[in-house]
Amino acid sequence: QQQVKQSPQSLIVQKGGISIINCAYENTAFDYFPWYQQFPGKGPALLIAIRPDVSEKKEGRFTISFNKSAKQFSLHIMDSQPGDSATYFCAASVWGGGFKTIFGAGTRLFVKA
Amino acid sequence: NAGVTQTPKFRVLKTGQSMTLLCAQDMNHEYMYWYRQDPGMGLRLIHYSVGEGTTAKGEVPDGYNVSRLKKQNFLLGLESAAPSQTSVYFCASLDRDRGQGEQFFGPGTRLTVL
Repeated sequence: QQQVKQSPQSLIVQKGGISIINCAYENTAFDYFPWYQQFPGKGPALLIAIRPDVSEKKEGRFTISFNKSAKQFSLHIMDSQPGDSATYFCAASVWGGGFKTIFGAGTRLFVKA
Repeated sequence: NAGVTQTPKFRVLKTGQSMTLLCAQDMNHEYMYWYRQDPGMGLRLIHYSVGEGTTAKGEVPDGYNVSRLKKQNFLLGLESAAPSQTSVYFCASLDRDRGQGEQFFGPGTRLTVL
């Protein structure tokens, strides 16, 4: 199966709070798991990514937690700011055959000031 | 360094008309991709290319054709547009040699088919 399931569809968080977005995949061949951030009217941009041999990766206020056995991964945004308001996409990629990527449906995050 | 650019930014077509979307990248990337983005469905891969002169089908290739005659350009064609092809189209490129998996996206083309 090639699906990547993402939840929730939308999220409202108070400034300073923690935003959590979850994703699940089925195909164990995936070997790269990125998160993309997209602002209205713009193309997606890579936020942070992880490989399946690592359980956690942190970059500033953004952390990916990865559970290989459960085939789940999540994005945590600490100290959420109004400027983080955007749509977030999880994805799963496999290097073989041209690095094809399957994207989740997206989560629209709104951080209230 | 412009990154990935897309032409045009907006277009309105009538059913049955044809058009070509142009993607250009100046980063010397080998891999290029065309996606469509629809509400609630994320981005879906239409076609991709792993190098000049090569193309391959993605998840949703029907109704589209592509060409990669030059390394820096990737063209997406709609031969006979249908309302179901109303969408935002994104092009992306990737540096295969760095092996890091980051795709660089263009700003998108918003297409409406009436």
